[in-house]
Amino acid sequence: DQQVKQNSPSLSVQEGRISILNCDYTNSMFDYFLWYKKYPAEGPTFLISISSIKDKNEDGRFTVFLNKSAKHLSLHIVPSQPGDSAVYFCAASSQGGSEKLVFGKGMKLTVNP
Amino acid sequence: DTAVSQTPKYLVTQMGNDKSIKCEQNLGHDTMYWYKQDSKKFLKIMFSYNNKELIINETVPNRFSPKSPDKAHLNLHINSLELGDSAVYFCASSPIGQGLSYEQYFGPGTRLTVT
Repeated sequence: DQQVKQNSPSLSVQEGRISILNCDYTNSMFDYFLWYKKYPAEGPTFLISISSIKDKNEDGRFTVFLNKSAKHLSLHIVPSQPGDSAVYFCAASSQGGSEKLVFGKGMKLTVNP
Repeated sequence: DTAVSQTPKYLVTQMGNDKSIKCEQNLGHDTMYWYKQDSKKFLKIMFSYNNKELIINETVPNRFSPKSPDKAHLNLHINSLELGDSAVYFCASSPIGQGLSYEQYFGPGTRLTVT
């Protein structure tokens, strides 16, 4: 029973363009969401997070949008750079983030020069 | 200076053996975790410790036993290894409960192959 879903396994974009990564969740108790980036043979690295009291959080080139009614969040990367090529995981937790993280399956982003 | 480190990075062993994976964090976090990433690439939590106390224990076979000698270390011991235990195991730590953010910081992973 996947509570966090990343339905697209991969995305390819041109350098300088926008990358949009999507994530859906089913558990309405989730109230804290995170994005992680993972390079091969390395552990996931925290990228950006958002609490359910917000609908947008921005950090440099990375912006996460949350649509609670649709149980959907997205990560926007603008402009995309070749170094952004990695697998991106969406994760969610409840009770303000104090509960365990539930991860999606990940999506591979390729940014072409 | 590595924040979360794991040893070994690769582990190849035969069925039935007992093995351990070590994890150390130098971030001063109170909470540590073990995750398993299986062949389908899902990252699933196995255990969580807070200040050496077990707080999360998912449905994991009791062949897996975590041990936390102090809050900077969380080791994972696996008895009677099975083929299905082959996976990448990630250790993580978090400042949860310390009034800070809730992000988890991951180690580089240990690829376990059981033959």
